[in-house]
Amino acid sequence: DAKTTQPNSMESNEEEPVHLPCNHSTISGTDYIHWYRQLPSQGPEYVIHGLTSNVNNRMASLAIAEDRKSSTLILHRATLRDAAVYYCILRPRFTGNQFYFGTGTSLTVIP
Amino acid sequence: EAGVAQSPRYKIIEKRQSVAFWCNPISGHATLYWYQQILGQGPKLLIQFQNNGVVDDSQLPKDRFSAERLKGVDSTLKIQPAKLEDSAVYLCASSRGGLADYNEQFFGPGTRLTVL
Repeated sequence: DAKTTQPNSMESNEEEPVHLPCNHSTISGTDYIHWYRQLPSQGPEYVIHGLTSNVNNRMASLAIAEDRKSSTLILHRATLRDAAVYYCILRPRFTGNQFYFGTGTSLTVIP
Repeated sequence: EAGVAQSPRYKIIEKRQSVAFWCNPISGHATLYWYQQILGQGPKLLIQFQNNGVVDDSQLPKDRFSAERLKGVDSTLKIQPAKLEDSAVYLCASSRGGLADYNEQFFGPGTRLTVL
């Protein structure tokens, strides 16, 4: 299973941007980069995913390094509702849809 | 559309007892997953079904855990007999399916199991 490395915790002030880093130095050329988040007492929910190019959606942006060995999830304006554990996951493109979660980054948003 | 349903939401049992969890995926989703999440850790995949066939059960402790998805829709996960270390949240997820599927997984609320 592919490995990712994330900081255990981060803090952000409300309404400020947040950059959540993820290292995945052993990524293969066909691995997708997925981000999920888990709010307290809930199941994980999809945030965003990408392969090579940067991606934007209504929730966040995903910036992928040119060598694909790292990526950054960007929340443009953190709200209290964004306080959650954020997981960076590598998903093999052609060998199934299995996800291997790490321990993620616990984001605290300060009012 | 309705989300992934799981029941029960909470279960307390004593060690060596049996327990079963039920999951109803989103309608039309071919792939179903069961995860175990121990407190403070990320979810760990136990088993993945594609329709009613098993795709991956490499991390399922088969001496005590079993799962089935008989008609390719609902699924049950059973633990028999339970151990103290099985205390965790059991999450069910579903996705549209297909080996080249990069569509998102939708998770249910989970069942919190406490083994005393």
